[in-house]
Amino acid sequence: SAVISQKPSRDICQRGTSLTIQCQVDSQVTMMFWYRQQPGQSLTLIATANQGSEATYESGFVIDKFPISRPNLTFSTLTVSNMSPEDSSIYLCSVEGTARNRETQYFGPGTRLLVL
Amino acid sequence: SQQGEEDPQALSIQEGENATMNCSYKTSINNLQWYRQNSGRGLVHLILIRSNEREKHSGRLRVTLDTSKKSSSLLITASRAADTASYFCATDQKGSSNTGKLIFGQGTTLQVKP
Repeated sequence: SAVISQKPSRDICQRGTSLTIQCQVDSQVTMMFWYRQQPGQSLTLIATANQGSEATYESGFVIDKFPISRPNLTFSTLTVSNMSPEDSSIYLCSVEGTARNRETQYFGPGTRLLVL
Repeated sequence: SQQGEEDPQALSIQEGENATMNCSYKTSINNLQWYRQNSGRGLVHLILIRSNEREKHSGRLRVTLDTSKKSSSLLITASRAADTASYFCATDQKGSSNTGKLIFGQGTTLQVKP
């Protein structure tokens, strides 16, 4: 299984500012995913990030608000721009499983964001 | 959009009892997966069942899938306090143009009392 780390683990930010979340994987993966989990809610996919191409965003999410970088096969960043209290959530990155189990996903520990 | 609905939303049982969680979905799927999340941390994959399978076991976990009813159930037998967590079903939609995209259900919060 892949080992995934995220930085920061948590942060408290002022409205109007931006925060960049990093996701690092210990092996090369093609597909990385970014999810948002609002308080007490389930996970909602923000976008899929493939190396070498622009991220594919889900309905309701736009690149200006959530720019994503994917510079190589082990790393990705998600920026939450011009934050408001409604952006307070846990943000999780995940990667596709191994070659034998590609349909499953491995998740990072998440980044808890509180916007004041 | 979220397509999975789970019930119950919350379940509280005594250690040693069995816990059953149900998941319903709306569209055709390639597979259905169950994940566990402890205290708002990252999710851990538990088990995957493909659309052509009806039942699958892994340790104390038993998953069933009824594609005609578009529903699945997760049974945890002989529960332990360490099983306390939120459990989510997730579906990989058939024909999805976004390979690997998972749609998560609303989740069931399980509390196992010692």
